[in-house]
Amino acid sequence: NAGVTQTPKFRVLKTGQSMTLLCAQDMNHEYMYWYRQDPGMGLRLIHYSVGEGTTAKGEVPDGYNVSRLKKQNFLLGLESAAPSQTSVYFCASSPGQGRPLTETQYFGPGTRLLVL
Amino acid sequence: GQQLNQSPQSMFIQEGEDVSMNCTSSSIFNTWLWYKQDPGEGPVLLIALYKAGELTSNGRLTAQFGITRKDSFLNISASIPSDVGIYFCAGTNSGYALNFGKGTSLLVTP
Repeated sequence: NAGVTQTPKFRVLKTGQSMTLLCAQDMNHEYMYWYRQDPGMGLRLIHYSVGEGTTAKGEVPDGYNVSRLKKQNFLLGLESAAPSQTSVYFCASSPGQGRPLTETQYFGPGTRLLVL
Repeated sequence: GQQLNQSPQSMFIQEGEDVSMNCTSSSIFNTWLWYKQDPGEGPVLLIALYKAGELTSNGRLTAQFGITRKDSFLNISASIPSDVGIYFCAGTNSGYALNFGKGTSLLVTP
């Protein structure tokens, strides 16, 4: 089991460019999440999905879009990158069926994004 | 999201010392969680707490769910160098939308 994997590991963008971050999990989890982590801050939820074909906004969704076409994949898109989106992005997944499983989120290694 | 206040922000201790950190919230939570993040890695769940007053251990780690449901505590006994990292608390009522604290950075010297 690879767990949660993220692609790419590191990326540099120019302002206005677009990109997609890919998250994949091989644990058959129902729920998937995208967080961003900024220096000195905890993780903040961008978007999440409670099942294939469904997505919902988290705490900081502006400037991002997501899609969950397949259960194992959760994509995070930046349509027009801005310097304020420079951050480390973490994907997570959880089983999603009742306590305690829903809270047990497994995180990927992160994608470091720099927007110039 | 709800604001969690985690303290201290950082700790610099010697190997063998005990460590205490805490997390407080202005709102109550049904679940408190503690994560550890190693440099360059994603957070890993250490302990989950589901009931007010609950005390749960995981090896040298012990966490408590505060009686008011607005706070939680994490203790690490007899610290070792591999305890180095950032410790995050998180609270949730929904079961999936986690509210994270800003983290406590722990450094352990041999």
